[in-house]
Amino acid sequence: GENVEQHPSTLSVQEGDSAVIKCTYSDSASNYFPWYKQELGKGPQLIIDIRSNVGEKKDQRIAVTLNKTAKHFSLHITETQPEDSAVYFCAALGGYSGYSARQLTFGSGTQLTVLP
Amino acid sequence: KAGVTQTPRYLIKTRGQQVTLSCSPISGHRSVSWYQQTPGQGLQFLFEYFSETQRNKGNFPGRFSGRQFSNSRSEMNVSTLELGDSALYLCASSLVPPGLAYNEQFFGPGTRLTVL
Repeated sequence: GENVEQHPSTLSVQEGDSAVIKCTYSDSASNYFPWYKQELGKGPQLIIDIRSNVGEKKDQRIAVTLNKTAKHFSLHITETQPEDSAVYFCAALGGYSGYSARQLTFGSGTQLTVLP
Repeated sequence: KAGVTQTPRYLIKTRGQQVTLSCSPISGHRSVSWYQQTPGQGLQFLFEYFSETQRNKGNFPGRFSGRQFSNSRSEMNVSTLELGDSALYLCASSLVPPGLAYNEQFFGPGTRLTVL
């Protein structure tokens, strides 16, 4: 099955700086890579996603890049603000495994702290 | 539109007991997935239901079970609770399973289960 590794586990940046979170995946059949933001006491919320036929996608201060050859994808947040402080999860939608349907596999999460 | 609701929000049980958690998806969503979230482990996939059928099951013991009703509401049950079952249990709903079509999964706030 799919295996997703996420780094770093914690990240502190000064307000206004950029933050980068990286993930690697193992299943070459994976073709959809969403990123989620989880604030304290809430469930994860989708913030951006990318499909395997695209190398980069941007949405205001957030961007995601995908390198299919190296099997890694990254989340970039520019001009960070205190409200960006949260746990971020990457995920990959793997291919079929035996008789199992495709499913999302999540990374272990990154606690981002933006210091004022 | 109401979001995904999970009940109860908090639960304290003792070892050996059983517990049932409930999830009401967003109106019109027919797919429900369950995840276990523990510190440092990210989101571990439990199972996925679509139109009352279990499409996929994660690598959890048989003590973990679930079902989905005709109104798409879902329940998960954990029998013979162990200390290691203490976690945040998240439910996510989508129109159809992510493995069938690209569509956003919306997460509920989770049920915090503590096993003493």
